[in-house]
Amino acid sequence: QQKVQQSPESLIVPEGGMASLNCTSSDRNVDYFWWYRQHSGKSPKMLMSIFSNGEKEEGRFTVHLNKASLHTSLHIRDSQPSDSALYLCAASSQGGRALIFGTGTTVSVSP
Amino acid sequence: EAAVTQSPRNKVTVTGGNVTLSCRQTNSHNYMYWYRQDTGHGLRLIHYSYGAGNLQIGDVPDGYKATRTTQEDFFLLLELASPSQTSLYFCASRYWGVNQDTQYFGPGTRLLVL
Repeated sequence: QQKVQQSPESLIVPEGGMASLNCTSSDRNVDYFWWYRQHSGKSPKMLMSIFSNGEKEEGRFTVHLNKASLHTSLHIRDSQPSDSALYLCAASSQGGRALIFGTGTTVSVSP
Repeated sequence: EAAVTQSPRNKVTVTGGNVTLSCRQTNSHNYMYWYRQDTGHGLRLIHYSYGAGNLQIGDVPDGYKATRTTQEDFFLLLELASPSQTSLYFCASRYWGVNQDTQYFGPGTRLLVL
């Protein structure tokens, strides 16, 4: 069973709108999360990471983490066509040597 | 930005063939990883290493061997390739420091097993 689950599988957002993506781990040892973005035909690139409860903002991207529920969310405001991509969530436990990835959310921003 | 290169970028082989995928990083990162990416499965970890001569088993290791010959070089070996190993393979290196933990991916190798 996938230890990192993402929802929704896909999302269509109007240009200028808000995209909200979810990620949950079923492994109670997890305490560090990453969000990666992968454009079509390219390799994944890290967007943001978070390990403390609460919120972290970088430009148009905001990440929330609730460690009690092992749930993280990524919010993209003022979505642009260039934000159309596969968004991957990854998790690791403290001192963990490997990241485990979810299956991703495909975001399409419609002009 | 950290540099990870992979070769070849594309490879076609036949069932039962022998394939070696190469990965090099020039970042002096200790950790290196091999993943495969398939539609509906996301990125799945095959093998990883935390230094020259070290090898750790990932989540989908069957049919794959790996070897880390130096700090820079990590190889993935398919000794009897099967069509189920047709996939996009990514190598990554990881920088793990104080208040920062980032994986950098190579450009990927697309493998087709006929």
